[in-house]
Amino acid sequence: EAQVTQNPRYLITVTGKKLTVTCSQNMNHEYMSWYRQDPGLGLRQIYYSMNVEVTDKGDVPEGYKVSRKEKRNFPLILESPSPNQTSLYFCASSSYAPSGAPSTDTQYFGPGTRLTVL
Amino acid sequence: RKEVEQDPGPFNVPEGATVAFNCTYSNSASQSFFWYRQDCRKEPKLLMSVYSSGNEDGRFTAQLNRASQYISLLIRDSKLSDSATYLCAVNMAGYALNFGKGTSLLVTP
Repeated sequence: EAQVTQNPRYLITVTGKKLTVTCSQNMNHEYMSWYRQDPGLGLRQIYYSMNVEVTDKGDVPEGYKVSRKEKRNFPLILESPSPNQTSLYFCASSSYAPSGAPSTDTQYFGPGTRLTVL
Repeated sequence: RKEVEQDPGPFNVPEGATVAFNCTYSNSASQSFFWYRQDCRKEPKLLMSVYSSGNEDGRFTAQLNRASQYISLLIRDSKLSDSATYLCAVNMAGYALNFGKGTSLLVTP
């Protein structure tokens, strides 16, 4: 079954305690990304990766790190979480046309990670 | 940067009603357009892609107006199960999807 998995699904932590949210996809997708979703602000992209070892900042990258050492995995790292990072996080993956041709590709989302930073 | 804008609603409609949502986008070079559905606290799931000629999937019809830079979603014969948030998404080929903040729909008995 094609899917994007995230772990953990729920996490309560304290300010400053480093954490990692894992994301894995089994569809051999090149493109992966992380979003956070907050009430009234919608989905905002944190980081994305076009392929292995290629990552770039999205709209709200401050306070986050990512890595893409393997195609299937794209972990999100919070080195020193703060309460303003309390949010619902989604990982997503898709394939895309490298030529940039119009695409009907879609992003498949993971089930979400609800993070609370106290 | 407000590249994709939607009316947040909520839209409260009775069962059986027809309801339409619009979504405007600012980048005229946008190439791909989608409607996603998101249930409370769940992940967004693709409802339908939006093609230039318009497309229909059962009770759902999506339209694209490039001249005015908006896409629309029409839901006919609303069901209780249609209650959700509908997100439009727009991208330029090879780049990230830009999502609107979503339009909330509540279908009531």
